[in-house]
Amino acid sequence: QVQLVESGGGVVQPGRSLRLSCAASGFTFSRYGMQWVRQAPGKGLEGLTFISSDGRKTLYADSVKGRFTISRDNSKNTLYLQMNSLRVEDTAVYYCAKDINRGCSGDCPVDYWGQGSLVTVSS
Amino acid sequence: SYVLTQAPSVSAAPGQTARISCGGNNIGTKNIHYYQQKPGQAPVLIVYDNSARPSGIPERFSGSNSGNTATLTISRVEAGDEADYYCQVWDSSSDHWVFGGGTKLTVL
Repeated sequence: QVQLVESGGGVVQPGRSLRLSCAASGFTFSRYGMQWVRQAPGKGLEGLTFISSDGRKTLYADSVKGRFTISRDNSKNTLYLQMNSLRVEDTAVYYCAKDINRGCSGDCPVDYWGQGSLVTVSS
Repeated sequence: SYVLTQAPSVSAAPGQTARISCGGNNIGTKNIHYYQQKPGQAPVLIVYDNSARPSGIPERFSGSNSGNTATLTISRVEAGDEADYYCQVWDSSSDHWVFGGGTKLTVL
């Protein structure tokens, strides 16, 4: 069955960096676009970033553009989120998620989610 | 930027029907998706492309979309349906995902 397992979260000071990983299994990772979605404590969902199956296309929400970078290693079935210049308002649970269909360009919903990784930005 | 509006809360008694609305400008021209999130858990896709259901999602969950309002309908509500429900669309003008603020369904 499809599994997505995030890692790399933790407590970090404002201005510092953190990299999240998402290990995928149970499906052909290289054929699906992937997304990161976050949820601040007690708040709603925010779509952050998308990467196409081959890694050639990426999209970012305005709130993270220029600070966060999504990437993937299809040989390792792993998705990454490099987060730089972190701010207090980036504190959230970060979910990786799989596109429902192959060949999406960022416009597909996601049908599987990881369990989430908590990132806390605090001095 | 595109905005989706959801009522903060909805309630329904077991066996009754709950309707969760999602409002947006000409939302009927977009494909809308819904996620269910229970406390401490990751969201689950329950309806996509307005009215399609992923495998394993009961037929009690259905969707419609027209004009400026989309609606998720939960028939024969059960205690286990108590959760937050989020609507989502793709805003092609900005290449961004847009989520509604979420609606908390309380089963009385």
